[in-house]
Amino acid sequence: GAVVSQHPSRVICKSGTSVKIECRSLDFQATTMFWYRQFPKQSLMLMATSNEGSKATYEQGVEKDKFLINHASLTLSTLTVTSAHPEDSSFYICSAREPSGGAETQYFGPGTRLLVL
Amino acid sequence: QKEVEQDPGPLSVPEGAIVSLNCTYSNSAFQYFMWYRQYSRKGPELLMYTYSSGNKEDGRFTAQVDKSSKYISLFIRDSQPSDSATYLCATSLGSDMRFGAGTRLTVKP
Repeated sequence: GAVVSQHPSRVICKSGTSVKIECRSLDFQATTMFWYRQFPKQSLMLMATSNEGSKATYEQGVEKDKFLINHASLTLSTLTVTSAHPEDSSFYICSAREPSGGAETQYFGPGTRLLVL
Repeated sequence: QKEVEQDPGPLSVPEGAIVSLNCTYSNSAFQYFMWYRQYSRKGPELLMYTYSSGNKEDGRFTAQVDKSSKYISLFIRDSQPSDSATYLCATSLGSDMRFGAGTRLTVKP
């Protein structure tokens, strides 16, 4: 299957700082990328859908000013957690879908574990 | 009511056992049905997907979908310790994908 990478894999930061997470599709161009968060022993919750060259679509309850998403190219989307607080500590996972592909062509990154102290 | 219900377990079985994992979903419009495997601290990887009711087999894994009862299953034959992971079911309509909570499976040698 296709490869999606995330960087960093783990980050620890102080409360109030901002953290940027990168998601890259390595061997295909992804017009659409997705950002999820996963709390321990819980399922993936979709935060937002990132569309190349346009604004992201956020799920209900997700603060767009807190979770800034930029999809500047067909292979890169970034999620910036602004003014992070301990409750933002979670596992953040991105995924990318092949153009014109169905759900089976959606590939997930390895995730980024964020710990806010 | 959650859109996709899945018993989180944990489920522990001896090596060689047949494992049955199940989910129910609420929206009859869902078109794709997927099973993902997620190892600890890793992203999910697609195991199997189906588009319609019926069975789909891949090696030791069989996915089953019953659209009439909105029920999806994953069977693992001859389970191995390396199968120990969290298994997530997912349903999809277009680009909208919804996940179950995931079932944590441990296969003991």
